[in-house]
Amino acid sequence: LAKTTQPISMDSYEGQEVNITCSHNNIATNDYITWYQQFPSQGPRFIIQGYKTKVTNEVASLFIPADRKSSTLSLPRVSLSDTAVYYCLGYTGGFKTIFGAGTRLFVKA
Amino acid sequence: DAGITQSPRHKVTETGTPVTLRCHQTENHRYMYWYRQDPGHGLRLIHYSYGVKDTDKGEVSDGYSVSRSKTEDFLLTLESATSSQTSVYFCAISPGQPTYEQYFGPGTRLTVT
Repeated sequence: LAKTTQPISMDSYEGQEVNITCSHNNIATNDYITWYQQFPSQGPRFIIQGYKTKVTNEVASLFIPADRKSSTLSLPRVSLSDTAVYYCLGYTGGFKTIFGAGTRLFVKA
Repeated sequence: DAGITQSPRHKVTETGTPVTLRCHQTENHRYMYWYRQDPGHGLRLIHYSYGVKDTDKGEVSDGYSVSRSKTEDFLLTLESATSSQTSVYFCAISPGQPTYEQYFGPGTRLTVT
């Protein structure tokens, strides 16, 4: 049975780097892992995706080790506006998906 | 933002009545998904579609059915609504391979009394 596990919550201060790790169990071996950000009363918003090693875009980095049993979202220099819930998403075969339960990030001034 | 809308945005209905939620996209993406979001459970997959008339079950499909008769529309039906189906429902679209990102609609808040 596929499962994804994330920390329930994290606190940080403005300007710090935040790393959120998601553990994946039995996700598809040849599919990408994607991460999303969600604000209250909105749908999740795509942040970044990766297959292996490290990917970086203008808002985040994603590191996936060779065994692909986890992935780590890195948010550089967070600000108050980064306070949100962050989800990892994996695929369990075909295009069937499984979300992590989400990590609530609270950024303090 | 991806062209994806959901209707209705809010609905209150009584136990035992049928309810249909609509997801409409203008992106011509092949894959469409229905999720429900409940406190403490995150987002859970109900059903998904990998093409016109091609659908499959997710982890919480009991009590729900879907239909996709054209690329742009994906309908979620609760045949006989129950209080346990009170939730926020999100539709998502995805282009599929080689990219896997999903784009979400604004959600439908459904209350079953």
